[in-house]
Amino acid sequence: KQEVTQIPAALSVPEGENLVLNCSFTDSAIYNLQWFRQDPGKGLTSLLLIQSSQREQTSGRLNASLDKSSGRSTLYIAASQPGDSATYLCAVFGSFGNEKLTFGTGTRLTIIP
Amino acid sequence: NAGVTQTPKFRILKIGQSMTLQCTQDMNHNYMYWYRQDPGMGLKLIYYSVGAGITDKGEVPNGYNVSRSTTEDFPLRLELAAPSQTSVYFCASMPNYGYTFGSGTRLTVV
Repeated sequence: KQEVTQIPAALSVPEGENLVLNCSFTDSAIYNLQWFRQDPGKGLTSLLLIQSSQREQTSGRLNASLDKSSGRSTLYIAASQPGDSATYLCAVFGSFGNEKLTFGTGTRLTIIP
Repeated sequence: NAGVTQTPKFRILKIGQSMTLQCTQDMNHNYMYWYRQDPGMGLKLIYYSVGAGITDKGEVPNGYNVSRSTTEDFPLRLELAAPSQTSVYFCASMPNYGYTFGSGTRLTVV
């Protein structure tokens, strides 16, 4: 059974700092990994999708990396802003025949102005 | 192109009542999913479907039923609502790459 862990559960950093969020998974037979953002009381917004054959994806100030062999992914946020405050979830999608997205419990990020 | 639409957004049920959460997508996606999210927890898969007429159980299917008569619609049925089903429910669909989520239904069972 795939298990996804995100550490830390909560993180507070001053505005302007660069930061890294971590995600680890137990089964490396994944099809892709997706990072989401969730604002309080809201739905999920997809941030970055990394296919299993890729090492990283970038969008603006966000960069996500994937190391399947070690079962790890990181989300790097550059020059953090108060608007980045949210819960960040990573989720892994199984290989075909196991088309289910398994979520981590998330990291609640607070950017201090 | 509305994406994934969930209705209702909020609902309060009494114990033992039943209801259907609606989910519709207009993107012609084959894969559709229902998740629940409890406070402070991650999302857990209830049921999923890989195409019209095909459904399968996820991690927490007890107390729920689904059907998939069309590609567009994937309703979730709660029979005999229980307080343990108080949660936020998300529907999602998937094309070849990545998931698209609806905005969620917040359900309270009292």
